[in-house]
Amino acid sequence: GDSVTQMEGPVTLSEEAFLTINCTYTATGYPSLFWYVQYPGEGLQLLLKATKADDKGSNKGFEATYRKETTSFHLEKGSVQVSDSAVYFCALSINQAGTALIFGKGTTLSVSS
Amino acid sequence: DVKVTQSSRYLVKRTGEKVFLECVQDMDHENMFWYRQDPGLGLRLIYFSYDVKMKEKGDIPEGYSVSREKKERFSLILESASTNQTSMYLCASRTGTRGTGANVLTFGAGSRLTVL
Repeated sequence: GDSVTQMEGPVTLSEEAFLTINCTYTATGYPSLFWYVQYPGEGLQLLLKATKADDKGSNKGFEATYRKETTSFHLEKGSVQVSDSAVYFCALSINQAGTALIFGKGTTLSVSS
Repeated sequence: DVKVTQSSRYLVKRTGEKVFLECVQDMDHENMFWYRQDPGLGLRLIYFSYDVKMKEKGDIPEGYSVSREKKERFSLILESASTNQTSMYLCASRTGTRGTGANVLTFGAGSRLTVL
């Protein structure tokens, strides 16, 4: 079945370090891909998305490129801040009405000053 | 902005009690979802609803039921709460027109349930 695998955390970085969180997927058809972020004590919110191969999603300095050949959607940021400390979830959705998002297990990022 | 409101942020219940978790969205979304979130397991889908009075089982429906009598409201019911249902419960919604896979889920803030 469809699934998402993301790197296990926690990931601990110093401020201004480069961030990569790996995400790979297995899906039939052509899914849409998402990164959601969950700040402490809050629900999930969309960080970025890509709906077709080679699309690049970007937001708040984060980027991810939909790579069909490697079935990947890795999240990157050039210079992290303390405020980026959160849990990051990779997710996919098959483009059919009435289907649900499938999430990875989440990666906890902790950034220290 | 779409708002998804979960009625209770924190609940403490006893084993065997019936528990209702309520979720309301204000943007006329067709699709609504209930997930549970546990450390190391990520988000797992319990039930979803793609229209009023319609429901579909997710990956872990056992021990849960749902109700969608009105478009804006999706309730999760634990008929007889057990300690292994202690968790964070997240409600979400999205528009349900054709090609909704690319549409974004909007989440509520979550309901943390503790069953003693």
